[in-house]
Amino acid sequence: AQSVSQHNHHVILSEAASLELGCNYSYGGTVNLFWYVQYPGQHLQLLLKYFSGDPLVKGIKGFEAEFIKSKFSFNLRKPSVQWSDTAEYFCAVNGRAGGTSYGKLTFGQGTILTVHP
Amino acid sequence: DAGVTQSPTHLIKTRGQQVTLRCSPKSGHDTVSWYQQALGQGPQFIFQYYEEEERQRGNFPDRFSGHQFPNYSSELNVNALLLGDSALYLCASSTYRGEKLFFGSGTQLSVL
Repeated sequence: AQSVSQHNHHVILSEAASLELGCNYSYGGTVNLFWYVQYPGQHLQLLLKYFSGDPLVKGIKGFEAEFIKSKFSFNLRKPSVQWSDTAEYFCAVNGRAGGTSYGKLTFGQGTILTVHP
Repeated sequence: DAGVTQSPTHLIKTRGQQVTLRCSPKSGHDTVSWYQQALGQGPQFIFQYYEEEERQRGNFPDRFSGHQFPNYSSELNVNALLLGDSALYLCASSTYRGEKLFFGSGTQLSVL
């Protein structure tokens, strides 16, 4: 069975600080990896995704994530956070089986990021 | 262009009752996935509907059932409600092979 673990439940930073949110997954096959974000009062939305190729992927709003296969990790990073990055961040995985849809995601428990101005 | 819409936004039920939640997918999408999000947890996959059939299912009991209509909208039904069913229920739409899910705002279900 797939599982996803996010290391931190709540992270508090000041503006301009660097961010790294940890994500580790457990799955016995090839995976697709995602980070979703939920800003206050808004829907969950896709931040970035990794399917194959360059393990360093870039998403919206200056976020990036690195897939390290040997560590089963997909950590999210941003060099300099802004107050507007305050949100809850979810790591998710989808087992890459031929012919299946991407709709069945396994999510981590989420990390709340609070950025102080 | 309307996104994913869910109704109702909030619902209060008592143990043993039945509930129906509704979802209209984003225009152009034909696949609906349902998730349960308990307080402080990430969303948990319930099932997915495509072409009016359940295509994938998560680890949820048969009390959870669904339906998809010809216009791609979907319903989630929960029978014999338990206190533990209290959660935010999220609907996500996509095309069947689409990589990106679009989520609705959810229905907050409270079971008393």
